Amino acid sequence: DTEVTQTPKHLVMGMTNKKSLKCEQHMGHRAMYWYKQKAKKPPELMFVYSYEKLSINESVPSRFSPECPNSSLLNLHLHALQPEDSALYLCASSRAGRGNTIYFGEGSWLTVV
Amino acid sequence: SQQGEEDPQALSIQEGENATMNCSYKTSINNLQWYRQNSGRGLVHLILIRSNEREKHSGRLRVTLDTSKKSSSLLITASRAADTASYFCATDASKNQGGKLIFGQGTELSVKP
Repeated sequence: DTEVTQTPKHLVMGMTNKKSLKCEQHMGHRAMYWYKQKAKKPPELMFVYSYEKLSINESVPSRFSPECPNSSLLNLHLHALQPEDSALYLCASSRAGRGNTIYFGEGSWLTVV
Repeated sequence: SQQGEEDPQALSIQEGENATMNCSYKTSINNLQWYRQNSGRGLVHLILIRSNEREKHSGRLRVTLDTSKKSSSLLITASRAADTASYFCATDASKNQGGKLIFGQGTELSVKP
């Protein structure tokens, strides 16, 4: 079982809504990640936080806003999304630095209507 | 562009048979990780192999890495119906910032009882 917990498991939102995805880990990891995965495709990196600071933003549109309030929590704030943003959003964590195993949560299925 | 490419894209075998999946990549790497994903679920980490390692085992899994050919293989021995899933390789490229994994396209494995 994964030790990265994501909520909610499913979310349906309208294009004018504001919602958030939440992620929590208690493995003492200091790196946390958001990935996006469309059906039948591999996950694609969106953001990386290292020691609670944003270290990588893969040119993600500003309608996705990440937040890392502390070393255990990672949020993804969603606003004015498009139907094409519907996907599985995966949170992950690892020890900070290079070459570490990255552990994923079960994901949040997002549908934008 | 995708760092990792996998073949075959789909593989169907009978229970008890061995399954081999291959992954090729383009640039120098620090390590390569293999993940399993059951339909609609998160990614489960299987094995991490570092660039200075050639082979690793974990239970029924055997991973090889050939950095001269920029390729890796995942062998699942004595497969079970429960092994049915998508399998992804993911590379931590040397030139990338820490924590950035790039996934291959994945192999869909179907194990028939």
